[in-house]
Amino acid sequence: EVQLVETGGGLVQPGNSLKLSCATSGFTFSTAWMNWIRQTPGKRLEWLAQIEDKSNNYFISYLESVKGRFTISRDDSKSSVYLQMNNLKEEDTAIYYCTWESVRWGQGVMVTVSS
Amino acid sequence: EIVLTQSPTTMAASPGEKVTLNCLASSSVSYMNWYQQKSGASPKLWIYGTSNLASGVPNRFSGSGSGTSYSLTISSMEAEDVATYYCLQLSSYPLTFGSGTKLEIK
Repeated sequence: EVQLVETGGGLVQPGNSLKLSCATSGFTFSTAWMNWIRQTPGKRLEWLAQIEDKSNNYFISYLESVKGRFTISRDDSKSSVYLQMNNLKEEDTAIYYCTWESVRWGQGVMVTVSS
Repeated sequence: EIVLTQSPTTMAASPGEKVTLNCLASSSVSYMNWYQQKSGASPKLWIYGTSNLASGVPNRFSGSGSGTSYSLTISSMEAEDVATYYCLQLSSYPLTFGSGTKLEIK
């Protein structure tokens, strides 16, 4: 059974950092392209970042508005993908999902940025 | 960036009624994915590659379209179809979603 489990969310003050993790199982992670997508309180879905697999040199793509603040990474030995988020803003408040090639989604983790 | 415009924003259909949801792209895309999201749950892939039903999706659902115009059709509305449906284009980065169509039952 395919599983994606996000952790690391919570309440954080503006300007602070947070690192999300996504542990996966049930599929061949080493060849999977992984994404982070968020859903705002208004229910808008926004793709944030993608990391390709080793055969594609772990090529990374970002949404322009988070480039330089967010960093996606992966650890194939742990079948996990990460999202480091720095200099967080109130508009980053959302549910954050990791996805396997936009096919399978985790249950999401809530990030609230507020003072 | 390709902008996806979904219509209608909200609609209500009677059981047995045919339903069509639309997704208009600001530039031509190669294909479209559709996702179903029920209240409190994560989005689920529903239709991929414009017209292919994901595993477990009832065959009353279908997808069609090309270029800038795509649609999801339900041949006969059922209560379990109540959800919000989102389209997603993967033809160019950044990947972009439509704003969703909330489907309710009368």
